[in-house]
Amino acid sequence: YELAQPPSVSVSPGQTASLTCSGDKLGEKYVCWYQQKPGQSPVLVIYQDTKRPSGIPERFSGSNSGNTATLTISVTQPMDEADYYCQAWDISTVVFGGGTKLTVL
Amino acid sequence: QVQLVESGGGVVQPGRSLRLSCAASGFTFSNYGMHWVRQAPGKGLEWVAVISYDGTNKYYADSVKGRFTISRDNSKNTLYLQMNSLRAEDTAVFYCAKDLMTPVAEYYFDYWGQGALVTVSS
Repeated sequence: YELAQPPSVSVSPGQTASLTCSGDKLGEKYVCWYQQKPGQSPVLVIYQDTKRPSGIPERFSGSNSGNTATLTISVTQPMDEADYYCQAWDISTVVFGGGTKLTVL
Repeated sequence: QVQLVESGGGVVQPGRSLRLSCAASGFTFSNYGMHWVRQAPGKGLEWVAVISYDGTNKYYADSVKGRFTISRDNSKNTLYLQMNSLRAEDTAVFYCAKDLMTPVAEYYFDYWGQGALVTVSS
């Protein structure tokens, strides 16, 4: 199973960033998203398609339908500049997307 | 607070073996499934293996199946990854990661270690 993410997305501060993740019938699976800044370990920002772990700002939201899951960052801030990875799973395997580098400029 | 601390990384020749450890604290280790995830230099994340909370179920990525073995010692709050027949393409930072949920097996990783670098080179 493969997940496809655009290599890069650019957004202006204060605007909304939409990061996509595509896979065959992805809407039938649960998806989560990680943020990874340079030199740091990944951080879970969305799980079960739409849920935010404690401590994650409300400006992070997720959706998943059809063949595409989307991570939306509203009122994007410079601190949101990072690599973002989508991930799906079944009982015996975990698959990551290739990652999207979000640039805030 | 939850802490995951990997150790055992280093430089190893192709074909040799290495064992990584991940010391866990700050949560009831024996209640949670645990994973290894790796990241080659400048590349994306790649899942390696999972072990259930009690060690009875283990699954591996095709790229490491038959060469790597995941295990755990719940009495020592420690996760392991035994890596045999190492190849240059195994060069990566290896992270241990904790499942968010228990007892349901849904794979979301809410805590990650700082990573251990494994370099396979002659």
